[in-house]
Amino acid sequence: AQTVTQSQPEMSVQEAETVTLSCTYDTSESDYYLFWYKQPPSRQMILVIRQEAYKQQNATENRFSVNFQKAAKSFSLKISDSQLGDAAMYFCAYRSANNDMRFGAGTRLTVKP
Amino acid sequence: DTGVSQDPRHKITKRGQNVTFRCDPISEHNRLYWYRQTLGQGPEFLTYFQNEAQLEKSRLLSDRFSAERPKGSFSTLEIQRTEQGDSAMYLCASSSRGVSYEQYFGPGTRLTVT
Repeated sequence: AQTVTQSQPEMSVQEAETVTLSCTYDTSESDYYLFWYKQPPSRQMILVIRQEAYKQQNATENRFSVNFQKAAKSFSLKISDSQLGDAAMYFCAYRSANNDMRFGAGTRLTVKP
Repeated sequence: DTGVSQDPRHKITKRGQNVTFRCDPISEHNRLYWYRQTLGQGPEFLTYFQNEAQLEKSRLLSDRFSAERPKGSFSTLEIQRTEQGDSAMYLCASSSRGVSYEQYFGPGTRLTVT
């Protein structure tokens, strides 16, 4: 079964600085999708960025980018120019071709003013 | 608001009672998912529907849990004979048959079993 590991329960970043959140996963499949979701306190989960495994190019969405290393089964999220509104729980998620979705335990990001 | 909605947002019940939650997906989405999230953890998959068909159920979904999506639109999740271990946030998500099947989440129903 696929597993997703986020080894950083908590991270902290100074406003305007850059932070990288780590995620590794275990799978024997070749076709899958990877996601980062953000869950602000007491608010619903929203999609930050997605990566298709068949694409070599790393996904980018404004200040958010990923470093996808397929061979290493690594999928880190980089947040540039951190803002106070980025403070949230961040979940890494893996979705297999059969639509099975697995989430990591999350990383709580604190942004210091 | 055209996002995923869930009702109620909070539910407090006594052990042994039955509870039912409702999820209304984004209208054009044909896939609907239920997850359970406990404090400090990521969501755990419970079950999902494509239209009205329930295609997959997790082993987490004991026989006390049942989900329906009668007309392929809204869905209900019922928990019978609730236990304290059922206390959690129950999340619903929906997706279309788009290229990446992105899932859009609702605000969740927080269940507290006393």
